[in-house]
Amino acid sequence: GENVEQHPSTLSVQEGDSAVIKCTYSDSASNYFPWYKQELGKRPQLIIDIRSNVGEKKDQRIAVTLNKTAKHFSLHITETQPEDSAVYFCAASSRSGGSYIPTFGRGTSLIVHP
Amino acid sequence: DVKVTQSSRYLVKRTGEKVFLECVQDMDHENMFWYRQDPGLGLRLIYFSYDVKMKEKGDIPEGYSVSREKKERFSLILESASTNQTSMYLCASSSPGQRYGYTFGSGTRLTVV
Repeated sequence: GENVEQHPSTLSVQEGDSAVIKCTYSDSASNYFPWYKQELGKRPQLIIDIRSNVGEKKDQRIAVTLNKTAKHFSLHITETQPEDSAVYFCAASSRSGGSYIPTFGRGTSLIVHP
Repeated sequence: DVKVTQSSRYLVKRTGEKVFLECVQDMDHENMFWYRQDPGLGLRLIYFSYDVKMKEKGDIPEGYSVSREKKERFSLILESASTNQTSMYLCASSSPGQRYGYTFGSGTRLTVV
């Protein structure tokens, strides 16, 4: 099955700095890579995703890059703000029967210091 | 907005009890999932279902079963609760094409004493 490694487990930055979270996956058949943000006590929410036919996607201060050859993808947050503090999860989805089944990384706790 | 609703936010059960966790989604999604979330271990898939009465084991199905009698409802069952099943349980749903990713419920924090 799919195996997703996520690093670092904890990331501490100053407000205004950039933050980068990296994930690797093992199944070359995976073709959908979402990122979720989970604030304390709340449900994970999709913040950005990328499909295997695209190398990079941006949405305001966040961007995701995908390198299919190396089987890794990364989340980039620029100009971090205290409200970016949360746990971030990456996932890689491969097809199982008629459905896409995600495998999640273990999460990165991002702390943005004012 | 897709809504995924979990019936209980907090539950406390005794060892050996049969426990039912309920999840309902209102967007006609075919796929539904149950995850367990533990610190440092991320989200681990227990079971998923891609259609009514269909179920597939995830990565950690031992000690759990599921039921999907209606498209909108997916139940997680702990046949005989144990203390190592104390955890946060998250339900999620998605459409087959995954156009909008997965939508999670708010979670049920289960404590088994």
